[in-house]
Amino acid sequence: DGGITQSPKYLFRKEGQNVTLSCEQNLNHDAMYWYRQDPGQGLRLIYYSQIVNDFQKGDIAEGYSVSREKKESFPLTVTSAQKNPTAFYLCASTAGDITEAFFGQGTRLTVV
Amino acid sequence: AQSVAQPEDQVNVAEGNPLTVKCTYSVSGNPYLFWYVQYPNRGLQFLLKYITGDNLVKGSYGFEAEFNKSQTSFHLKKPSALVSDSALYFCAVRRYGGSQGNLIFGKGTKLSVKP
Repeated sequence: DGGITQSPKYLFRKEGQNVTLSCEQNLNHDAMYWYRQDPGQGLRLIYYSQIVNDFQKGDIAEGYSVSREKKESFPLTVTSAQKNPTAFYLCASTAGDITEAFFGQGTRLTVV
Repeated sequence: AQSVAQPEDQVNVAEGNPLTVKCTYSVSGNPYLFWYVQYPNRGLQFLLKYITGDNLVKGSYGFEAEFNKSQTSFHLKKPSALVSDSALYFCAVRRYGGSQGNLIFGKGTKLSVKP
C-alpha cells in the first residue's frame, strides 16, 4: 500500500543533542513537507521541498535542517540550536497544487 | 496576510444531532480549501476539499462543507453526529506565492460527541 512512513514514533532528546526524524514515501509525490504541531497552535511549516536536491525554509525553520537526496526521503534534523523542540512532528507529501496532502503518523519528540 | 481562522476551540454535540465546525479564511486569489481530521497521536486524514464548482462539497464519513465566497467561510457539517466523530478538525487553505500544495492551517477545533 502507498503511504508515508515516519520513524520513530517516539523520540527522546537530551539537551545539546541533534536528532534526526525519518520520513519516507512511496507515493511518487514530488513535494514533501515538515510541520510542527503544538497544542492549541495548529500546524506550522518548518521546511518543504518541491524536487530532489532542493528545499525551502518554512515559517519556523530556525534550529532545524533537512535534506532531499532522494525523491522518497525527506529527513528532518532537530539541532541543538532549537531551544524548545518538544512537539509532535508531521511529515506530508502532495502530488500537485490542488491535490490533498497525505500525512505520516507523526513523531513525538521529547526533551529529557 | 493569508490566514485561516477556526473561531471555536471546542464544539460539543449530542450523538444524532447535526454538527458544524466553523472556518473562515483570508487569501488572495481563488481559495483552495481543505478539511482534515486528526485522532489522538495520529497523523491528519483528508476529509474533503473545495477547488471550484459546486459550493457544497461532500467528503468522507458523511461530512460535507459549504463554501461561501461572500462570507469567506468553509464550514464543515454533518447531519447526524456519531461518538466516533470525536476528534480534532483542521481547516486549511493553499498558500499563494509558495510551493505547490503548501498549506496554511487553522489552529484546530476539538469536536466532542456525547452519547
